Amino acid sequence: GEDVEQSLFLSVREGDSSVINCTYTDSSSTYLYWYKQEPGAGLQLLTYIFSNMDMKQDQRLTVLLNKKDKHLSLRIADTQTGDSAIYFCAESGGDSSYKLIFGSGTRLLVRP
Amino acid sequence: SAVISQKPSRDICQRGTSLTIQCQVDSQVTMMFWYRQQPGQSLTLIATANQGSEATYESGFVIDKFPISRPNLTFSTLTVSNMSPEDSSIYLCSVAEPMGYNEQFFGPGTRLTVL
Repeated sequence: GEDVEQSLFLSVREGDSSVINCTYTDSSSTYLYWYKQEPGAGLQLLTYIFSNMDMKQDQRLTVLLNKKDKHLSLRIADTQTGDSAIYFCAESGGDSSYKLIFGSGTRLLVRP
Repeated sequence: SAVISQKPSRDICQRGTSLTIQCQVDSQVTMMFWYRQQPGQSLTLIATANQGSEATYESGFVIDKFPISRPNLTFSTLTVSNMSPEDSSIYLCSVAEPMGYNEQFFGPGTRLTVL
C-alpha cells in the first residue's frame, strides 16, 4: 500500500538552513505537500508540488522532488525560532486523488 | 484560502458517551474530509463527506462508530459514538478548494480526551 516516511527529528541553529526529507512509495502520486503543525494548532499548508515538477521555490522555502527515487525534500533558508514545529509530508493522487497520505512528521527544533 | 472553524476546540468525555464535532467553512466547498490524529501520530483519513450523498469511509472506520452529516456546502458534523479511551485524539476537518482540488486546508482541530 501507499506509504510515506520521514525522519522523526531535526535540530538546527537559528540562521542555518534546514532540510527535511521524505520518501514515498506511490509512483502515481499527483501532488506532494508540506504541512506545518505548531503546538496545539491545526495544520498549515506550506507548499505543494505537482509531480511533473522537480523544484518549487516560495520565499524561504524550496521543495525538491526526485521522482525517480520517490524523494521529496523541504529546505527552509535562514531558519528562525518561529519555524520550530512538526512538518508533515503528504501525497495525493493515485487511486484516490483527493485522499492525503501523511508521513509521521518531522519535529524541527531551532536553537537560538 | 477557505477559513475553517471547528467546535468544540477541546472536550473531555466519559467512556460510553458520544460527541458531535462541527466543522464550518466560510465558502461553499464540494469536498470535506475528516481526519484523526492520535497522540504523537500522523493523520489518518476517516471519511470523505460530500454534500447530497453518503460519506465514504476508509478501511478501519465504520458509519456506526463515526456517523457524518453534510447538510450543505459549508457545514459538516462528525460524531464519535460510544467512546472509549482509544478514541482520544485530535479530530480535524479539511476542505478541498472548489477551484483547485489539489489544495486541502485544515481546520484547527478538536482535541478529545476520553476518560
